[in-house]
Amino acid sequence: QSVLTQPPSVSGAPGQRVTISCTGTSSNIGTPYDVHWYRQFPGTAPKLLIYGNTNRPSGVPDRFSGSKSGTSASLVIAGLQAEDEADYYCQSYDSSLTAFVFGGGTKVTVL
Amino acid sequence: QVHLVQSGPEVKKPGSSVKVSCETSGIIETYYGIDWLRQAPGQGLEWLGGISPNFGSPKYAQKFQGRLTFTADESTTTVYMELTSLTYDDTAIYFCAKEWPTGSPFPFEYWGQGTLITVSS
Repeated sequence: QSVLTQPPSVSGAPGQRVTISCTGTSSNIGTPYDVHWYRQFPGTAPKLLIYGNTNRPSGVPDRFSGSKSGTSASLVIAGLQAEDEADYYCQSYDSSLTAFVFGGGTKVTVL
Repeated sequence: QVHLVQSGPEVKKPGSSVKVSCETSGIIETYYGIDWLRQAPGQGLEWLGGISPNFGSPKYAQKFQGRLTFTADESTTTVYMELTSLTYDDTAIYFCAKEWPTGSPFPFEYWGQGTLITVSS
């Protein structure tokens, strides 16, 4: 059972916009702590996609955007492409657990 | 260019221990953190804890207190994770990851390739 809640899967046609939600509580996302997002292809290590709620590391296309409000965060993929098929994870910090916490992951399927 | 290279896969018996290494290169910061995470088959990511190689000062997730030890060899820039009293639930891919000191909490900027630890009798 993950501390942060993500939908198990989302799907969309090429070119469409998809949104992945990440819901937490007042001990994690509801605090000033940042939310980060990672993408993971099968058999490989996760890669940082969004950091500090809204920022993209160098090399990440601007099709990817992040936001945070209250006890939730979202990752938006605009203009979905076939190569976006992967698992996506949100991460933050929980002040009650004093631990980094993750969502259970969302599998994105391009129809 | 930063690289984290982990040791190879291992098969361990229940009750035994495992030690995984993470050799780092290309890190220019004087102070940085290396964390350990794991991913059970078909499951999500779980944070185990981390260590600052230049400081020592390891931190462990409460769930693993008493079973987990992180050490660092500054001369070889290698970080080690040792997990004892293994159970079948410890079967997972174990990753080391370098913290990027920006914001709070620090995101994980670079990752090792992962080490599969299988607990089997």
